[in-house]
Amino acid sequence: QKEVEQDPGPLSVPEGAIVSLNCTYSNSAFQYFMWYRQYSRKGPELLMYTYSSGNKEDGRFTAQVDKSSKYISLFIRDSQPSDSATYLCAMKGNTGFQKLVFGTGTRLLVSP
Amino acid sequence: KAGVTQTPRYLIKTRGQQVTLSCSPISGHRSVSWYQQTPGQGLQFLFEYFSETQRNKGNFPGRFSGRQFSNSRSEMNVSTLELGDSALYLCASSLDATYGYTFGSGTRLTVV
Repeated sequence: QKEVEQDPGPLSVPEGAIVSLNCTYSNSAFQYFMWYRQYSRKGPELLMYTYSSGNKEDGRFTAQVDKSSKYISLFIRDSQPSDSATYLCAMKGNTGFQKLVFGTGTRLLVSP
Repeated sequence: KAGVTQTPRYLIKTRGQQVTLSCSPISGHRSVSWYQQTPGQGLQFLFEYFSETQRNKGNFPGRFSGRQFSNSRSEMNVSTLELGDSALYLCASSLDATYGYTFGSGTRLTVV
């Protein structure tokens, strides 16, 4: 079983829809949670960064972390065709220098 | 503010050769991490450097090595290249282990 599970998609939605992307994990030591967006042939771009449980909002993006369920989510409101990309969740522990553990990524397609 | 810069962007090498990839982190960032991204395995952690010292290492053979210089710039070396080393190699920088990581655009290595 992988430490981080993420549905690969693709997830197809119409422009303007609310998108929900999710990851589950098994390592209870994870404390830092990140969401990255990756366009084709580009490096991952950091979208959201949260520590421990709770919600964080930034513009059209909302990140939620539920440590009791080992479940994290990224919501995208008013989705745009430019949001079409692969979304990767990543997480790590908080002791010393811990590696980032990534999900496999969910491919999102937003149609005009 | 300049982002993470990786050079070269593309490389084609022959089996058995060696290669050196370069990464310049965001100014002020002292942590540099390296990841390998392939379609089959996703993003896999190679190593992380902080203040010129390797702080963490992933499960890669000894053919993969790295170093960090006093100006935080980092290099990664792969010796005796194999076909399976073909991948996108990504460098990420951070202020320290408690902050989010900013990725470069990567070096796409093709081994023939």
